[in-house]
Amino acid sequence: QVQLVQSGAEVKKPGASVKVSCKASGYTFSTYYIHWVRQAPGQGLEWMGIINSGGGSTGYAQKFQGRVTMTRDRSTSTVYMELSSLTSEDTAVYYCARSAPSVGSYDMDVWGKGTTVTVSS
Amino acid sequence: SSELTQDPAVSVALGQTVRITCQGDSLRNYYASWYQQKPGQAPLFVIYGQNNRPSGIPDRFSGSSSGDTASLTITGAQAEDEADYYCNSRDSSGNHVIFGGGTKLTVL
Repeated sequence: QVQLVQSGAEVKKPGASVKVSCKASGYTFSTYYIHWVRQAPGQGLEWMGIINSGGGSTGYAQKFQGRVTMTRDRSTSTVYMELSSLTSEDTAVYYCARSAPSVGSYDMDVWGKGTTVTVSS
Repeated sequence: SSELTQDPAVSVALGQTVRITCQGDSLRNYYASWYQQKPGQAPLFVIYGQNNRPSGIPDRFSGSSSGDTASLTITGAQAEDEADYYCNSRDSSGNHVIFGGGTKLTVL
């Protein structure tokens, strides 16, 4: 079945970087996009950016420009999200989610279970 | 930047009908998608496009749109429908994605 399996929880110190992975299976990896969405404790969903799993092009939310990098490895069907210069405000659950290419809305039809990132000194 | 506005909380009596709304300028150009999230779980995709349900989503869930407002309707709400509901769409530029702030649905 189609699934996105994310890497395990991380604890980081302020100023460090974190790299979260999202391994896809059950579908043709390169024909879909992957989004990263985060959720701080008790808060709503926040879109961070998108990567075209085929061509590798990316688009980032303005809030994260310069601090986030999304990459993909087609040989392992894995997408990575690296966030640098972490602060306590980056403590959140980070989700990857799939959507098909579209000129309309991005419908995120499959989600990973989430990766908890805790930033603490 | 554009945004999507949702009521923070809505309640419904068991078996009754409830509508959850999402308002934003970008919805004049893009359909909203809707997601259900229960505590400790990842979001679940429940409605997309004009009024489409992914496989496995009960037909008591439906969607509609008019002008700058999208709506998610649950007809005959069940106890298991108690959750947070989020809408999303592209933003007005079309380049990015925005989420509504979420609506906490309580089934009484």
